[in-house]
Amino acid sequence: GENVEQHPSTLSVQEGDSAVIKCTYSDSASNYFPWYKQELGKGPQLIIDIRSNVGEKKDQRIAVTLNKTAKHFSLHITETQPEDSAVYFCAATATTGTASKLTFGTGTRLQVTL
Amino acid sequence: DTGVSQNPRHKITKRGQNVTFRCDPISEHNRLYWYRQTLGQGPEFLTYFQNEAQLEKSRLLSDRFSAERPKGSFSTLEIQRTEQGDSAMYLCASSSGPQLGKNIQYFGAGTRLSVL
Repeated sequence: GENVEQHPSTLSVQEGDSAVIKCTYSDSASNYFPWYKQELGKGPQLIIDIRSNVGEKKDQRIAVTLNKTAKHFSLHITETQPEDSAVYFCAATATTGTASKLTFGTGTRLQVTL
Repeated sequence: DTGVSQNPRHKITKRGQNVTFRCDPISEHNRLYWYRQTLGQGPEFLTYFQNEAQLEKSRLLSDRFSAERPKGSFSTLEIQRTEQGDSAMYLCASSSGPQLGKNIQYFGAGTRLSVL
């Protein structure tokens, strides 16, 4: 089955700086890679996703890059703000399968300090 | 679209008791997923439904766990004879299909189970 590794487990940046979170996956059949943000006491919220036929996607201050050859994908947050503080999870799935179940990384706790 | 709703939000029970959680997916979403999340970990897949059919179960889902989606709308997850190791956040998600473009999974706020 799929295995997703995520680094770092914690990340502290100053407001206005950039944050980068990296993930690797093992299953070459995976073709969909979402990123979720989870705040305390809440469920994961999708913030951006990328498909395997695209190398990069950007949405305002958030961007995701994908390297299929190396099985790496990364989340980039620019101009960080205190409200970006949360736990971020990467995930992977193969939508060509019947389940499309998500395999998640172990999460990165991002803290944006003033 | 009111989002995925889960009840109760919190459940405290004694070891050996049975508990049941409910999930109401986004209307017209025919796929419904259950995940379990323990402290400091990402969600782990438990099972999923396509309409009323339960199509896959993880090995994490022991015989004490049962899930239903009788009319293809809301779903229930029951844990019998709870153990302390069952303490976790149980998350429900729904999507409109497996295909790219329809496969986005939207999560509820979860039910936090504490087994004493």
